[in-house]
Amino acid sequence: DVKVTQSSRYLVKRTGEKVFLECVQDMDHENMFWYRQDPGLGLRLIYFSYDVKMKEKGDIPEGYSVSREKKERFSLILESASTNQTSMYLCASSRGTSAYNEQFFGPGTRLTVL
Amino acid sequence: GESVGLHLPTLSVQEGDNSIINCAYSNSASDYFIWYKQESGKGPQFIIDIRSNMDKRQGQRVTVLLNKTVKHLSLQIAATQPGDSAVYFCAENIGVNRDDKIIFGKGTRLHILP
Repeated sequence: DVKVTQSSRYLVKRTGEKVFLECVQDMDHENMFWYRQDPGLGLRLIYFSYDVKMKEKGDIPEGYSVSREKKERFSLILESASTNQTSMYLCASSRGTSAYNEQFFGPGTRLTVL
Repeated sequence: GESVGLHLPTLSVQEGDNSIINCAYSNSASDYFIWYKQESGKGPQFIIDIRSNMDKRQGQRVTVLLNKTVKHLSLQIAATQPGDSAVYFCAENIGVNRDDKIIFGKGTRLHILP
């Protein structure tokens, strides 16, 4: 079975802290994505990567950075967490070079910034 | 501008009845559409997809209909069961390049009445 795992289901951090969200997939997928999900706004793409050490900005990259040192791992970094970054964060992966490929999602990390 | 939206935020259906969830998209260049199901506490899960050269595709108890003339997408679930309770997202993609993004709608919550 395909599997995308995220390091934490729930996380509480303080304003100004540096936050790392980790995502690992075991399907040898080339593409990986980070989304945030907020009520009434749906899923919004933060960053994505289609290869190791490659990254592309999504729709809302401000306040975030990413790292992809290994194919199976894609990390989302909040350099200095703010309360407006309280959200559900979803990681996804997909295979190959075609956009016609299903994205597999992890269970999500619910981040609260106090 | 580009957008993927849903006509109803919440849909209540009697158990055993058929459910129809609607989605409107605004970009006529979109050529690939996906429906995702998200159960409480889980990440979105792929249900079914359809390419723009088709107007209907059937899966197990689900059917997706695409009307490109009016830019409308629908998901039909036959004999709705309690396990179908979830939020359903439509998503669209433009082009076939590996770095093309998939744009998600805001979601419709399907509530099953006993």
